[in-house]
Amino acid sequence: AQSVTQLGSHVSVSEGALVLLRCNYSSSVPPYLFWYVQYPNQGLQLLLKYTSAATLVKGINGFEAEFKKSETSFHLTKPSAHMSDAAEYFCAVSHTGANSKLTFGKGITLSVRP
Amino acid sequence: EAGVTQFPSHSVIEKGQTVTLRCDPISGHDNLYWYRRVMGKEIKFLLHFVKESKQDESGMPNNRFLAERTGGTYSTLKVQPAELEDSGVYFCASSQLIGSGYGYTFGSGTRLTVV
Repeated sequence: AQSVTQLGSHVSVSEGALVLLRCNYSSSVPPYLFWYVQYPNQGLQLLLKYTSAATLVKGINGFEAEFKKSETSFHLTKPSAHMSDAAEYFCAVSHTGANSKLTFGKGITLSVRP
Repeated sequence: EAGVTQFPSHSVIEKGQTVTLRCDPISGHDNLYWYRRVMGKEIKFLLHFVKESKQDESGMPNNRFLAERTGGTYSTLKVQPAELEDSGVYFCASSQLIGSGYGYTFGSGTRLTVV
């Protein structure tokens, strides 16, 4: 069975500081991994995805994530936080194939201080 | 292209009443998914349609929930009768290709409150 762990429920950083949101997964087969973002009153938007190609994945809005199989991690980073990055972030895992449901972590809220 | 549309955006109903949520996927997307997030918990899979057929309904909580996708276009999710624990945000998503490696497009969700 797949699972995703996002430790903590809230992260607060200063504008311009590094953003690091942690995600660890468990999966019995090579996974597909995703980060989604939800801005207030909006739906889930795909930030980036890992699909067994390059281990360092670049996404939208300056975010990137690195797949580390040995650590079963897929942490999300951004070198310099912007006020507009304040949102809730979700890590998710899935297998390939017809049964393509996503298993999500609990989500983590990012606050950015001016 | 238009995104995934869900309505209503909010619904407040009393326990025991019936509510129907609707999802309009992106045109041409054969895959349609329903997810739910109960407050404080993770987003959980409910079911997956491929066109009008239910591919996987393993996440449906009980028989008070009925999902349909007539004609393989829009989908409805009916809760009858609603219970307090059904409160949460219901998300719909669609994708064009089998295999989630390509990522879904999510709607904005319907916030259901059962009082």
